[in-house]
Amino acid sequence: NAGVTQTPKFRVLKTGQSMTLLCAQDMNHEYMYWYRQDPGMGLRLIHYSVGEGTTAKGEVPDGYNVSRLKKQNFLLGLESAAPSQTSVYFCASSYQVGRAEAFFGQGTRLTVV
Amino acid sequence: AQTVTQSQPEMSVQEAETVTLSCTYDTSESDYYLFWYKQPPSRQMILVIRQEAYKQQNATENRFSVNFQKAAKSFSLKISDSQLGDAAMYFCAYRSLREYGNKLVFGAGTILRVKS
Repeated sequence: NAGVTQTPKFRVLKTGQSMTLLCAQDMNHEYMYWYRQDPGMGLRLIHYSVGEGTTAKGEVPDGYNVSRLKKQNFLLGLESAAPSQTSVYFCASSYQVGRAEAFFGQGTRLTVV
Repeated sequence: AQTVTQSQPEMSVQEAETVTLSCTYDTSESDYYLFWYKQPPSRQMILVIRQEAYKQQNATENRFSVNFQKAAKSFSLKISDSQLGDAAMYFCAYRSLREYGNKLVFGAGTILRVKS
């Protein structure tokens, strides 16, 4: 009963490097989301998906790309990392019903130096 | 766009006492859901309580209850008989029923410290 699993849990990148964060859920959820958490700002939505093959921009999408080729996976990519992207990243998923709670992964702490 | 405001960056409570965390939100919608999530030092996001906007009755979950004032757009969380394990960051969140993607919008969070 894994729920939502994020890989990796920690990562340090150099400015300009690229990386991909993987989110996998085993609950057959339609909706998946990527958030970033910064001190004093709560969680802000980066990108989201309402189903396999769909993606949409959230509040802070610049510098990130996403893909959802399979229903259970949602990938977040950083093409050229910048220090401003140092943050904790959370993936979440939920059913296609507004009352449904969103289930979160354990977070990825990313530091860009 | 909806916004959620938590005006208390940090709160403290004595063990066994009661504390209330404040949350206000802004929306033009009539149907939506509100949530309180707890984030302990482990970083895990844990659902504490949810409230459906169409219900007048305030939600309760054991020691946790809310005061939902729809007209005032206020959604406060009351924690009774506070325990050391309640120490965490608490986030208030709004979820639209009509917007594409049913996205969750979060407040900035309130750090709750529990003193023994």
